[in-house]
Amino acid sequence: AQTVTQSQPEMSVQEAETVTLSCTYDTSESNYYLFWYKQPPSRQMILVIRQEAYKQQNATENRFSVNFQKAAKSFSLKISDSQLGDTAMYFCAFMKPFTGNQFYFGTGTSLTVIP
Amino acid sequence: DVKVTQSSRYLVKRTGEKVFLECVQDMDHENMFWYRQDPGLGLRLIYFSYDVKMKEKGDIPEGYSVSREKKERFSLILESASTNQTSMYLCASSGRTGHLEQFFGPGTRLTVL
Repeated sequence: AQTVTQSQPEMSVQEAETVTLSCTYDTSESNYYLFWYKQPPSRQMILVIRQEAYKQQNATENRFSVNFQKAAKSFSLKISDSQLGDTAMYFCAFMKPFTGNQFYFGTGTSLTVIP
Repeated sequence: DVKVTQSSRYLVKRTGEKVFLECVQDMDHENMFWYRQDPGLGLRLIYFSYDVKMKEKGDIPEGYSVSREKKERFSLILESASTNQTSMYLCASSGRTGHLEQFFGPGTRLTVL
């Protein structure tokens, strides 16, 4: 089974500052997908950003970007210009396609944005 | 707007009861998943289904079963609820092609007394 590790259970950041959430994974596969999901307090889990392993370019979605280091098996999420609405639990996930598209999730990082 | 719905947001049951959690998706997705979410443990996969009437065990299937009679509906069954099954249960679905992301329902917080 694949393993996904998020070593920061809790983090905080001042509003308008930048924060980076860490994620590492363990796999012998060469073709896979990586995701970051956000779960605001008492609200639904939503996708933040995805990265295909075969793409060298790091994915970006507005204020969210990733640093994908395939050789190091690292997939960190950078949030720029943090906003109060970014307060949430963030989960990193790994998926190997064609196995029912099963996801493997990390244990999550609770991010608090401080006004 | 894509949607995954779950039958209840909150549920309270007694030990030994049979519990049904229902999940419905409107995206014509082939894959559906049931997770439980506990603090410090993240999301753990209970069962998933990649087609109607097909099911696969996840990491923690003990004490649970599932049913998928129709493509849009995936049910999680606790045959005899126990207090250690008190948790948040999340349903998700995904397609076989395209971006492959999972779409989540709002979750059911189950308390077993």
